Amino acid sequence: RKEVEQDPGPFNVPEGATVAFNCTYSNSASQSFFWYRQDCRKEPKLLMSVYSSGNEDGRFTAQLNRASQYISLLIRDSKLSDSATYLCVVSRSGGYNKLIFGAGTRLAVHP
Amino acid sequence: EAQVTQNPRYLITVTGKKLTVTCSQNMNHEYMSWYRQDPGLGLRQIYYSMNVEVTDKGDVPEGYKVSRKEKRNFPLILESPSPNQTSLYFCASRTGLNSPLHFGNGTRLTVT
Repeated sequence: RKEVEQDPGPFNVPEGATVAFNCTYSNSASQSFFWYRQDCRKEPKLLMSVYSSGNEDGRFTAQLNRASQYISLLIRDSKLSDSATYLCVVSRSGGYNKLIFGAGTRLAVHP
Repeated sequence: EAQVTQNPRYLITVTGKKLTVTCSQNMNHEYMSWYRQDPGLGLRQIYYSMNVEVTDKGDVPEGYKVSRKEKRNFPLILESPSPNQTSLYFCASRTGLNSPLHFGNGTRLTVT
């Protein structure tokens, strides 16, 4: 089983739609969680950190479920510019607290 | 502007010809690391460094070397590149163990 698993998609949605991605992780001791966005052939960019109580940043909402070991990302009112690959990132417990990346979920928003 | 700078952006080379990809950050971050990204496999860590002169292997270190002689620089060295090292490489840094990573803009390497 992979440490961090994501549905690769693609998720094809119309503008204005609400879309949600889930990401499961295997290490129950993980402490840090993030969502990154990556455009084709470019560097990953931090979208948001994920906190235990859940957090929101504009149209984006992230949640953490420790009991079931998954994090989620909800995008409301999708824009064409949201088309990208979304990477789930989870820490591996240990001295360096290494960050482990999921393979990504591709989102395509169409007019 | 706070950034991580990698060079070169694109590199085509032949098997066995030593090469170095440079990485520099201006944020005074202690932690730096190198990743490679391949289709379907996601980002995999090659090497990381927790401070000057402190480096350690990541998940896929074979065929790579690194050094950390100064805090801001963390070059990736391929002593004898092979075609299976054709990939997209990213350098990244972060300020603390619970902090997110800041990435450089990538180096696309092709080894023929």
